[in-house]
Amino acid sequence: KAGVTQTPRYLIKTRGQQVTLSCSPISGHRSVSWYQQTPGQGLQFLFEYFSETQRNKGNFPGRFSGRQFSNSRSEMNVSTLELGDSALYLCASTKGTRNYEQYFGPGTRLTVT
Amino acid sequence: GESVGLHLPTLSVQEGDNSIINCAYSNSASDYFIWYKQESGKGPQFIIDIRSNMDKRQGQRVTVLLNKTVKHLSLQIAATQPGDSAVYFCAETPSYNQGGKLIFGQGTELSVKP
Repeated sequence: KAGVTQTPRYLIKTRGQQVTLSCSPISGHRSVSWYQQTPGQGLQFLFEYFSETQRNKGNFPGRFSGRQFSNSRSEMNVSTLELGDSALYLCASTKGTRNYEQYFGPGTRLTVT
Repeated sequence: GESVGLHLPTLSVQEGDNSIINCAYSNSASDYFIWYKQESGKGPQFIIDIRSNMDKRQGQRVTVLLNKTVKHLSLQIAATQPGDSAVYFCAETPSYNQGGKLIFGQGTELSVKP
């Protein structure tokens, strides 16, 4: 069974631009969560989608948004990029039960210059 | 591979020794506590979980202990191997029924010397 895939793996953007990251969960998994990983703040929860609906949301500004499609694939968008948005963005999927046992993708490394 | 350059506590052990990684959690109401392992260039990988009504749970070469009195969680790895070298995160989830929100701890870098 294929694991969680994320595209692109690396991305360089300029301040003020926007970016869209994509995540394809494991086949059969209906929940997708997104996390931001930085040296200073560690792993922080952004939001979770289940059956195309946002089920949980972390403490991030409105510039961070996401969505989930009917095939469970998910995208997250960051608008008006700031230098502090440079991070590794991870997505994780679960079946929808045992939600704490999450399967993570390799992440997208976003660098904002 | 990917490195997030985390400035983390480091635990260095000799191959074959036992390792103990500690974590303090914040929310007394959390339902599940979990350990994840993150190797360089990869996303975190689930190791083991323990529900809040348990004190101890064992897996293959790993044991998790939960002390709710002092809000402390530990991961014991028996006969540590070079392949165990990674960053280890504890995490908690507010409630089993409230979806996939995980709150992660700072992380500890485990280095295994051959």
